Amino acid sequence: NAGVMQNPRHLVRRRGQEARLRCSPMKGHSHVYWYRQLPEEGLKFMVYLQKENIIDESGMPKERFSAEFPKEGPSILRIQQVVRGDSAAYFCASSPLAGIGTEAFFGQGTRLTVV
Amino acid sequence: TQLLEQSPQFLSIQEGENLTVYCNSSSVFSSLQWYRQEPGEGPVLLVTVVTGGEVKKLKRLTFQFGDARKDSSLHITAAQPGDTGLYLCAGVNNDMRFGAGTRLTVKP
Repeated sequence: NAGVMQNPRHLVRRRGQEARLRCSPMKGHSHVYWYRQLPEEGLKFMVYLQKENIIDESGMPKERFSAEFPKEGPSILRIQQVVRGDSAAYFCASSPLAGIGTEAFFGQGTRLTVV
Repeated sequence: TQLLEQSPQFLSIQEGENLTVYCNSSSVFSSLQWYRQEPGEGPVLLVTVVTGGEVKKLKRLTFQFGDARKDSSLHITAAQPGDTGLYLCAGVNNDMRFGAGTRLTVKP
């Protein structure tokens, strides 16, 4: 059973371009979380999705950022018109269900660098 | 504002010392988890605590869940350089929210 797969591992974009970050959850997991991490800092919650639904996007900037988790295929975090401040590591985690005792499994992250 | 507040934010100690890090919230959680993240990797689960007042031990690590299920602590005895990393707590209800973490450095 493969773990959570994120790709690409490293992504370089020029200012103004679009960045697409992919997260394939573990098999059977229908809950996906996205987090952003700046160097030397902790994880900042961005968005929580279940299949085809955004449950909580309170951590997402209201402009330029969007996320989806379609019925088929990976979850996508999309950043339009990237700026230097978007440079960070973006982690996704998946879990099989919500609630007590649920373990979240993390991918290795995508490191976005905006030049 | 973080739902879970972790303290201290940074901690640097010598090998062999003991330490405690804290995770506090005003919210009640059905369970609370601790993760450790090493550089360049995603966080990995260390433990889940479920019952108020519960204490779990994992070798030199002792985890405690507060009686009211709002807070937790992680105590490390005789820290080693291999304990270096970012320690994150996560409160679980219908979703999962993380604190900002405590970045621990253990110097040889």
